[in-house]
Amino acid sequence: DTGVSQNPRHKITKRGQNVTFRCDPISEHNRLYWYRQTLGQGPEFLTYFQNEAQLEKSRLLSDRFSAERPKGSFSTLEIQRTEQGDSAMYLCASSLVQGGFTDTQYFGPGTRLTVL
Amino acid sequence: AQSVTQLGSHVSVSEGALVLLRCNYSSSVPPYLFWYVQYPNQGLQLLLKYTSAATLVKGINGFEAEFKKSETSFHLTKPSAHMRDAAEYFCAVFNQAGTALIFGKGTTLSVSS
Repeated sequence: DTGVSQNPRHKITKRGQNVTFRCDPISEHNRLYWYRQTLGQGPEFLTYFQNEAQLEKSRLLSDRFSAERPKGSFSTLEIQRTEQGDSAMYLCASSLVQGGFTDTQYFGPGTRLTVL
Repeated sequence: AQSVTQLGSHVSVSEGALVLLRCNYSSSVPPYLFWYVQYPNQGLQLLLKYTSAATLVKGINGFEAEFKKSETSFHLTKPSAHMRDAAEYFCAVFNQAGTALIFGKGTTLSVSS
């Protein structure tokens, strides 16, 4: 068990640019989640996948945001036309759900995005 | 709707003193509750979780929490603080669907020698 990994760890970009983050979950986990954490706040849910299907999106996920999990393994989160308000820590988590029972979410180290 | 409220954004204790971090929840269904710890520039690490079994839950690093339905509380305690406990602590509850976690705003724990 190597844990959840995220790349890059830090990203600095200029307003208007597109950015993409990657998350590799724990290998046997079937659910993958994205959260956003701004300074001084707790993480806020963005979206989650069960295998390759995106099953839920929060209202925080504007149309500039898109997430994919093409083969049910790693996931990418893309932000188009970044704005300064997108500056935050983007956290990925994964869990194993069996028989409808929701198990613990394990978090990666996060990607810190700074939009200048 | 599910929510958690962490009372006190900052708690300071001396090394060796009792740690008490407060969390109250609101839930329309039997709650699943969690405490996570976050060290600077790192992700969240699970300390402990309550899933309707024992009301006193023991976690890692000597932490424990007690689920009190009558008080809608899930406070985190540790008998004796250590310098390495200095971090940010988050209480969380599952949403009604059992998919997303809903976090409190966090409590920063400072430990002085």
